[in-house]
Formats: sequence, structure tokens, C-alpha cells
Amino acid sequence: AQSVTQLDSQVPVFEEAPVELRCNYSSSVSVYLFWYVQYPNQGLQLLLKYLSGSTLVKGINGFEAEFNKSQTSFHLRKPSVHISDTAEYFCAVSARPGKLIFGQGTELSVKP
Amino acid sequence: GAGVSQSPRYKVAKRGQDVALRCDPISGHVSLFWYQQALGQGPEFLTYFQNEAQLDKSGLPSDRFFAERPEGSVSTLKIQRTQQEDSAVYLCASNIPNQETQYFGPGTRLLVL
Repeated sequence: AQSVTQLDSQVPVFEEAPVELRCNYSSSVSVYLFWYVQYPNQGLQLLLKYLSGSTLVKGINGFEAEFNKSQTSFHLRKPSVHISDTAEYFCAVSARPGKLIFGQGTELSVKP
Repeated sequence: GAGVSQSPRYKVAKRGQDVALRCDPISGHVSLFWYQQALGQGPEFLTYFQNEAQLDKSGLPSDRFFAERPEGSVSTLKIQRTQQEDSAVYLCASNIPNQETQYFGPGTRLLVL
């Protein structure tokens, strides 16, 4: 079975500052890793995914994440955030194409 | 093309009522997933279809929950005798088999009073 832990439930940050949202996972098999963003009253939108290959993955809106197999982590980063990045962010894993296992979410709040 | 659509967007039900939630996947997407997202939580898997076949229903929380996709396109999630703990956002997602990315609809927010 797989599980996902997002280490911070809320992350407040000032506009133009860097941000890191932390995600750790547990699995006995190889997994695919994802970050999704959810804006208020909307569905989930894929930010980026890691399937194989390069451990540094670049996504939309200037976000990137690094897969670290030894630490079983997949932290999300952005060097300079905007007000419009305020949203809920979810880390997820799947053991194969199929059901996603999500973390509890991290609320990113960007302040002017 | 159009994305995944869900209806209704909001539903208020009295405890004990039956509800039906609809999902229209992206055209041509063979796989369809249902998730339940309680307030302040991440989505949790409910069930999965490939065409009309329900391949995994391990996440359905009780026998009051039933999902169908009779023609391999539109899917309906039915909840019988709703309880207050059923209050949540119900998300639908679709994709092509063996494609890792799932495309999500806006969800149906269910409130059981």
C-alpha cells in the first residue's frame, strides 16, 4: 500500500519570496508522483509529474519538484511566488496508472 | 475540447434522501474515477471504471454507495439513505488507459442536513 504525508498544512509567504511545499511518501513498489493544485471551488489541475528519468521535474506556472528516492520525498518549489499562486496543493502517488493516493493538502497563502 | 463536467455542482439533501451525482468524462476517455474529498482533506479514491466495467470499488465506504457507467461514457454515483458524514465534494476524473495523468471535473459539493 502507498501513503503520502504533506508535512505542512499551511504555508504563508510574502509575494516574490521563494517557497517549498514538502511531501514524503511510503511505498513498497515503484510509484509515479504528482503535484496537483486546487483553486477555490474548482477541480484539481496537474502541476507536474514524475514518472522516471531526470529527478528534477519542471511544471506549469514556474513550479518544479525534485524526486529523492533515498529520502522518499517529492518537494515542490517555486523561486518567486505571486498572489495568484494562493491555492491548495496536493501531492499524490500511484503505483501504476490507476487510482491516486493523495496527501492531506497544503494551503499556500501568498500575501502582498 | 470540453473537459470533465459534473452535475449538479451543489446538492443539499435531507438525511435519509437518495442522491445521484453525474459525471461526463472527456470524449474518448476510457477510464473514469470517483473520489470523495471531505472538508480540509485530500481526495480519497472511491471507485474506477474502464469502459462500462467497474474494475475497482474498494474505496466505496458502505453499501449505500453505488456507481454505474452502463454505456461506458457518462457515470452516475448514487448514495442511498444519505447521512451527515456523506457531506463532501465528490470529484470525477478521466483518462486514457495507461496514461498517468487524470483530468478532474469541478466536483459536486454535497451537503446532508
